[in-house]
Amino acid sequence: QSALTQPRSVSGSPGQSVTISCTGTSSDVGGYNYVSWYQQHPGKAPKLMIYDVNKRPSGVPDRFSGSKSGNTASLTISGLQAEDEADYYCCSYAGNYLYVFGTGTKVTVL
Amino acid sequence: EVQLVESGGGLVQPGGSLRLSCAASGFTFNTHWMSWVRQAPGKGLEWVANIKEDGSAKYYVDSVKGQFTISRDNAKNSLYLQMNSLRAEDTAVYYCARGKSGYYTRDYWGQGTLVTVSS
Repeated sequence: QSALTQPRSVSGSPGQSVTISCTGTSSDVGGYNYVSWYQQHPGKAPKLMIYDVNKRPSGVPDRFSGSKSGNTASLTISGLQAEDEADYYCCSYAGNYLYVFGTGTKVTVL
Repeated sequence: EVQLVESGGGLVQPGGSLRLSCAASGFTFNTHWMSWVRQAPGKGLEWVANIKEDGSAKYYVDSVKGQFTISRDNAKNSLYLQMNSLRAEDTAVYYCARGKSGYYTRDYWGQGTLVTVSS
């Protein structure tokens, strides 16, 4: 149950796109299409942004999209906005009703 | 409106015990898996435990097996986490989260309760 690997930080200017990677193994990310992404602002609870690799809950802007290739999942934020500045965590099902989170990525809007 | 409100956190000495509670409202509690997720100060999220809708199955991260016990009372719409033999590394904000029905994800989270293990 090792944490999934994410870049420590990514940044972009308003209107640009940024992509966050989430690398695991064939036992978690690569083995199931059950990757979720959470947004967390400082001092706040996490918010679900993407589930099942690429599904968006109602109310989440379509600027947020998810994908997966092999053992790596990705979250892309298009048309970056100031309010997107936050920490982002991936989470994958790892079999046997176990879950593993990513190390987290800080997104900075320049 | 879905609401999850955690309570029971606080300062506890190493080796001590604490029981966290999560009061759920705004949805049919007994039709959802529930989870506890923790976040150490300045660190990332860590899934801690899951419990099935009827409480018949429970799953834990390896680091808390035998130390923590997740439970629920569907009559009271409440989720619990009994934490024993607490260590400094258990210091964290503990979040209660709802499983999204039919999916392998958590769609609603509480605001968290801080547990500090220190002498």
